[in-house]
Amino acid sequence: EAQVTQNPRYLITVTGKKLTVTCSQNMNHEYMSWYRQDPGLGLRQIYYSMNVEVTDKGDVPEGYKVSRKEKRNFPLILESPSPNQTSLYFCASTRQAGAVYEQFFGPGTRLTVL
Amino acid sequence: QKEVEQDPGPLSVPEGAIVSLNCTYSNSAFQYFMWYRQYSRKGPELLMYTYSSGNKEDGRFTAQVDKSSKYISLFIRDSQPSDSATYLCAMSKNSYGKLTFGQGTILTVHP
Repeated sequence: EAQVTQNPRYLITVTGKKLTVTCSQNMNHEYMSWYRQDPGLGLRQIYYSMNVEVTDKGDVPEGYKVSRKEKRNFPLILESPSPNQTSLYFCASTRQAGAVYEQFFGPGTRLTVL
Repeated sequence: QKEVEQDPGPLSVPEGAIVSLNCTYSNSAFQYFMWYRQYSRKGPELLMYTYSSGNKEDGRFTAQVDKSSKYISLFIRDSQPSDSATYLCAMSKNSYGKLTFGQGTILTVHP
């Protein structure tokens, strides 16, 4: 089954404790992204990757890092989480079907930073 | 001012009603327009995809884009309880690039 998986789905942590949220896709897509979703603000892009070893900042990159060492994986790293990073996080990968570019989203990771 | 504005609702309609969801935007560089549907505790899924101005129909769903007014709409005919979800408009400047989302409209269709 074609899918984007994220782990963990739920995480409660404390300020300053480094964490990684994993994202993996089995569709051989080149383009992947991370978004955060907050009430009243919709989804905002954090980072994106055009291909292996190619990453760039989105709209809200502060406090986050990413890496893309393999095509299928795109982990999101919070080196020193703070309470304002409490949010719902989505990983997405993009498929091209003719003229349509469709972003497939993972199930989400709900992060709480105390 | 946000680049994309969407009325968050919530919107509650009876089964069978016609639903109209709307977004306005300020950046004239947007060329690609999408509607995503997000069920509770799930990731968004693509519902409609439109390039530039015009209408697109898919079953009970019709997407409209009016670039001169910087206004996009999604119409749902014969709405069903299974349509209850959050609907997010999204747009981008290029075909594969960063999506800019509206805040999402929460829709409930009651039997």
